[in-house]
Amino acid sequence: EDKVVQSPLSLVVHEGDTVTLNCSYEVTNFRSLLWYKQEKKAPTFLFMLTSSGIEKKSGRLSSILDKKELFSILNITATQTGDSAIYLCAIRSDQNQFYFGTGTSLTVIP
Amino acid sequence: NAGVTQTPKFQVLKTGQSMTLQCAQDMNHNSMYWYRQDPGMGLRLIYYSASEGTTDKGEVPNGYNVSRLNKREFSLRLESAAPSQTSVYFCASSEYSPGYTFGSGTRLTVV
Repeated sequence: EDKVVQSPLSLVVHEGDTVTLNCSYEVTNFRSLLWYKQEKKAPTFLFMLTSSGIEKKSGRLSSILDKKELFSILNITATQTGDSAIYLCAIRSDQNQFYFGTGTSLTVIP
Repeated sequence: NAGVTQTPKFQVLKTGQSMTLQCAQDMNHNSMYWYRQDPGMGLRLIYYSASEGTTDKGEVPNGYNVSRLNKREFSLRLESAAPSQTSVYFCASSEYSPGYTFGSGTRLTVV
């Protein structure tokens, strides 16, 4: 059965902390792994990862994929209150189907 | 602005009532999807449409029907609403570009 597991389910940190969010998966016909940030409304796209070991970076956010161990991490450095959100991991299959994890709820306290 | 438009944004239904959620995208995407999002359950796929004229069941299709009216529009119908269908519903579309584009969601309450 295809599945995507995210951990932790929730996290509370102080501004300035660094956080690491985890995503492991078991999906046949893997095509890519995607990270989304969801605040009050719809998820917004952050990163797409297709190759192992290549870090994607955007400002204070970075992510890397390990296709051998079937996981990805999303790092956020120097967290700010605006980083408070649910972070979703999804796998896209070759058949263009998407499998979502339950998300990690991040709260950043001033 | 290009994107996915969902209507309505909010709806309250009585048990047994029916309604249709509308979704339209203007990005010429082939694939469209309906998800529901519940606390602790993540996003669960209800139905999807890989191309105009085709629809397929997702993870939680019971109690729903869909119509892919044309390439732009993909509607979700609840024939007889139940309290278990209280949720936030998202429409999304995708092509061979990274990821989805999501609509802004419909918050549905069934009382």
